[in-house]
Amino acid sequence: SQTIHQWPATLVQPVGSPLSLECTVEGTSNPNLYWYRQAAGRGLQLLFYSVGIGQISSEVPQNLSASRPQDRQFILSSKKLLLSDSGFYLCAFKTGVDYGYTFGSGTRLTVV
Amino acid sequence: GQSLEQPSEVTAVEGAIVQINCTYQTSGFYGLSWYQQHDGGAPTFLSYNALDGLEETGRFSSFLSRSDSYGYLLLQELQMKDSASYFCAVRSYSGNTGKLIFGQGTTLQVKP
Repeated sequence: SQTIHQWPATLVQPVGSPLSLECTVEGTSNPNLYWYRQAAGRGLQLLFYSVGIGQISSEVPQNLSASRPQDRQFILSSKKLLLSDSGFYLCAFKTGVDYGYTFGSGTRLTVV
Repeated sequence: GQSLEQPSEVTAVEGAIVQINCTYQTSGFYGLSWYQQHDGGAPTFLSYNALDGLEETGRFSSFLSRSDSYGYLLLQELQMKDSASYFCAVRSYSGNTGKLIFGQGTTLQVKP
């Protein structure tokens, strides 16, 4: 079966520190991969998506970057976190035959 | 650009029927999806409409009118566990990939 793993579940980081969030997918190959961010009580904002290894499209210019070093691995990074980077980060994937996206359990990031 | 409008909050009683509306503006429209998100959890896929009409899945139904850029999610026989946020999302194509753009969400509160 297809599963998605995302970690850590919660993270508290000081302003100016680096960030690395990892997401891995199992049970499928060549998925489309997505990073979303959700502010408290708000909708999901698409940050990055990838259709293949090394292929990254950015939706919102910001303090974050993404990489896809392997087919089923998607990484969200920052060199220096800002207070405004706080939020709920969700990784998702979609295969060609799916109508819906499958989301990971998310990482709640608080920048202090 | 792309935008979706849905009510911020809806309240209903257990056993009742509730309809959550969604209007959208987008280019390259391919379909309208609905997701459910319980507090603190990840969104889960409920339904997808690519063509006009009603799709029924158990107690949930979803409707789409492409000419009106409008859709709704209908929840019947409401249960307490249906208390959650519901997001409509537009699937649009840009380049060689599909993207899912979410609305701000509707918080449904089911009362006994």
